[in-house]
This record gives sequence, C-alpha cells and structure tokens, in this order.
Amino acid sequence: NAGVTQTPKFRILKIGQSMTLQCTQDMNHNYMYWYRQDPGMGLKLIYYSVGAGITDKGEVPNGYNVSRSTTEDFPLRLELAAPSQTSVYFCASSTRTVWNTEAFFGQGTRLTVV
Amino acid sequence: DQQVKQNSPSLSVQEGRISILNCDYTNSMFDYFLWYKKYPAEGPTFLISISSIKDKNEDGRFTVFLNKSAKHLSLHIVPSQPGDSAVYFCAATPTSGTYKYIFGTGTRLKVLA
Repeated sequence: NAGVTQTPKFRILKIGQSMTLQCTQDMNHNYMYWYRQDPGMGLKLIYYSVGAGITDKGEVPNGYNVSRSTTEDFPLRLELAAPSQTSVYFCASSTRTVWNTEAFFGQGTRLTVV
Repeated sequence: DQQVKQNSPSLSVQEGRISILNCDYTNSMFDYFLWYKKYPAEGPTFLISISSIKDKNEDGRFTVFLNKSAKHLSLHIVPSQPGDSAVYFCAATPTSGTYKYIFGTGTRLKVLA
C-alpha cells in the first residue's frame, strides 16, 4: 500500500537552478497539497488542488508552480532556486468525505539550496 | 497572521503521566480539527480528529477536547509512553469552501522513562 510517494528524498541545488519535486498518490484522492516545513515554523501551505486541472495558491506560493494533469500526480516546480527555499517539502492528499477528512502525507523531500 | 497557534514549543513528561498539548485558532470558519504526530525524517501521520459538532473525541490513550467558544483544543495522552516522543502538530480546516489544512508550529513532546 504505497499511499503518497515523493521523489527525490534529498536534493542539493545551486542558486538559480530549477527542479521538480514529484508527488504521486494511489488512493484516488481528489485533494492534494504541498507544504514546506522550516525549523520552528510548522507546516506552511504552498499550493493545493481540489481535482485534476484545478490548483490554487496557499500561504507561501511565491517561487513555486504546480500542475495537476491527473488525479494521481501533483508535481511542484521550483524555478530559479533561492537559499530561502531550503526546507523540507511534504506532499499530502485527502478524500474529504463527511466521515474521512484527514490528509495523508508523503515522507518528504529535503532540499538544500547553496 | 498565524491562524493556528501552538504556544508551547516543547513539553517534557514522565512516563505514565498525562501529556497535555494545547492549540488555539482564530478563524471561525474552521470546523474540523486534527492532530498529527511527526517523527524525525518522516512525514506527519494522522493521530486523531474532532468535528466542531463535538467537544470530545477519544481513541485509546488519546483524547482531543474542543472548546469552540474559546477557540481552543487540547490533546491528552494518558498514560504517556517513551514512544510518544515526537513533534505534534495541530491542524484546522473548514469542511466546505477552500479545503485547506492550516497547521500550527508544533510542540515537541519528550516522554522521560
């Protein structure tokens, strides 16, 4: 039972480089989310999606882009990486039914921008 | 603007005693609340939740209390075990509209053997 899978687990980027963090879920969840966790700052919502083709900004969207072409995949794109984007990134998904409202998280991607 | 606040960054408790973790929220649109547990180098895992139509929900050693008028919730762990040592995040979400989960900053619980 894979759940939410994120790749890669670790990455070091140089300033100005770009990369895509991959996220896929096999639970047929409509809702998907990207969060970043900075030390002592909790989880901040970057972008979220309520279904294929529909995305919206969260609390900290600047410097990121997302797309949702399928129910399963929700990649997060970093263009022109900056040191401020050094963080741990978590992808999550949920089904949001009346009786089941929790989000399931992936293992995270630790990104360092140098 | 921190909509979900966990004012205690850390908490230490003796094994077998009660752990009480607190969370406050400001947005009246939130009507579903969740607690997540996070170990180092892992993703958060769901622990327990409560709907705003309830004031208490129990699951084994874990109980969540909700005080809507005070916009406050708490997680009680009884008895605390060393394996409970982790970071605990409180989250809140509306059940209609934006569907966003807003998280607090977390409380690091250490259960001392």
